[in-house]
Amino acid sequence: AQSVTQLDSQVPVFEEAPVELRCNYSSSVSVYLFWYVQYPNQGLQLLLKYLSGSTLVKGINGFEAEFNKSQTSFHLRKPSVHISDTAEYFCAEFKAAGNKLTFGGGTRVLVKP
Amino acid sequence: GAVVSQHPSRVICKSGTSVKIECRSLDFQATTMFWYRQFPKQSLMLMATSNEGSKATYEQGVEKDKFLINHASLTLSTLTVTSAHPEDSSFYICSATEGNTGYGYTFGSGTRLTVV
Repeated sequence: AQSVTQLDSQVPVFEEAPVELRCNYSSSVSVYLFWYVQYPNQGLQLLLKYLSGSTLVKGINGFEAEFNKSQTSFHLRKPSVHISDTAEYFCAEFKAAGNKLTFGGGTRVLVKP
Repeated sequence: GAVVSQHPSRVICKSGTSVKIECRSLDFQATTMFWYRQFPKQSLMLMATSNEGSKATYEQGVEKDKFLINHASLTLSTLTVTSAHPEDSSFYICSATEGNTGYGYTFGSGTRLTVV
């Protein structure tokens, strides 16, 4: 069973509109969560991460995410997207057992002019 | 910041030949490196975890004899696809971490392998 679920495989959005990418995780113990962005034919770039502390995490490029333990969610938001935000976005969870990241299925964001 | 260099970025090889992909940590010592495979429009699938100086740990379903991983130094891990076939064509990505921190992963830029 997949432990990280990204509910939307594709999200079309108009330029300057807000966007939210949904992510749910399954760990019941302490959890480290991440959002990565992948541009075509490139590796992954870290947008932001939640390790502990404040549940609202701010990242690069104007993105932020909110950790919600009761809903086991870590949704990513940006108030106003640019054409350059067109990319694939991955939510990931770190599991201490095995020392590895588990990725969600990814959400493709297509920003339209 | 931490940088991981992956080479080559693209490679085309003939069926039956072997291909080596390198992953280097440029400004830190990578105690652990990870190799992922990504099919078009899909997520990353972990293939194996390698620790410097020891044998790699492969995920279930990954053929260790086909995908040879060597982590001979704290800055270099290699993935060799042996006797490549068209179905091995994929995007391969490595990542590296300095320790078991859970948040120090840096990814390489990926290698597009096409087997013809």
